[in-house]
Amino acid sequence: DVKVTQSSRYLVKRTGEKVFLECVQDMDHENMFWYRQDPGLGLRLIYFSYDVKMKEKGDIPEGYSVSREKKERFSLILESASTNQTSMYLCASSLGGESYEQYFGPGTRLTVT
Amino acid sequence: GQSLEQPSEVTAVEGAIVQINCTYQTSGFYGLSWYQQHDGGAPTFLSYNALDGLEETGRFSSFLSRSDSYGYLLLQELQMKDSASYFCAVRDVTPLVFGKGTRLSVIA
Repeated sequence: DVKVTQSSRYLVKRTGEKVFLECVQDMDHENMFWYRQDPGLGLRLIYFSYDVKMKEKGDIPEGYSVSREKKERFSLILESASTNQTSMYLCASSLGGESYEQYFGPGTRLTVT
Repeated sequence: GQSLEQPSEVTAVEGAIVQINCTYQTSGFYGLSWYQQHDGGAPTFLSYNALDGLEETGRFSSFLSRSDSYGYLLLQELQMKDSASYFCAVRDVTPLVFGKGTRLSVIA
């Protein structure tokens, strides 16, 4: 079974703090993705990566950056957290060329106060 | 731009059949995926249609009509555990674009 793990289930941060969300997958998947999920808005793609050191912007990259130094790890960084970044953050991975079948981590519920 | 439309809520009776529709507008199109998400859980992949027609996986089936930019998820013999949110997602030039989800409530 593919396992995608995220560093925290719940996180509370203050406005202006730098926040790191970590995601690790254990199935040697090439593709990794970061989404945020808000009620009534579905899943929105923040950033994705098809390979180590590679990153592409998704639909809502503003205020975020990512890092992929190793194939199994994809980090989402909030440079200066704001209250409108309070959300559920979901990481996912998939085999190369098969982004239609993604495996999701349990999510991190981030609250910015 | 891209847009996907699916009903926000559907209620159905245990043992019945329910169909969740999804219409889409995208600049390119490779296929339509469906995901299930229980409250507090992660989305899990259900099915993928790249070609027109019906794909069946146990109690769940998914249909695609590329000419109509339309697909649906069909759930048969509904069980209480099928109560969840269901998302359609289009694969086009970006990895996946998700709809806003349909919350299915199965009642006794």
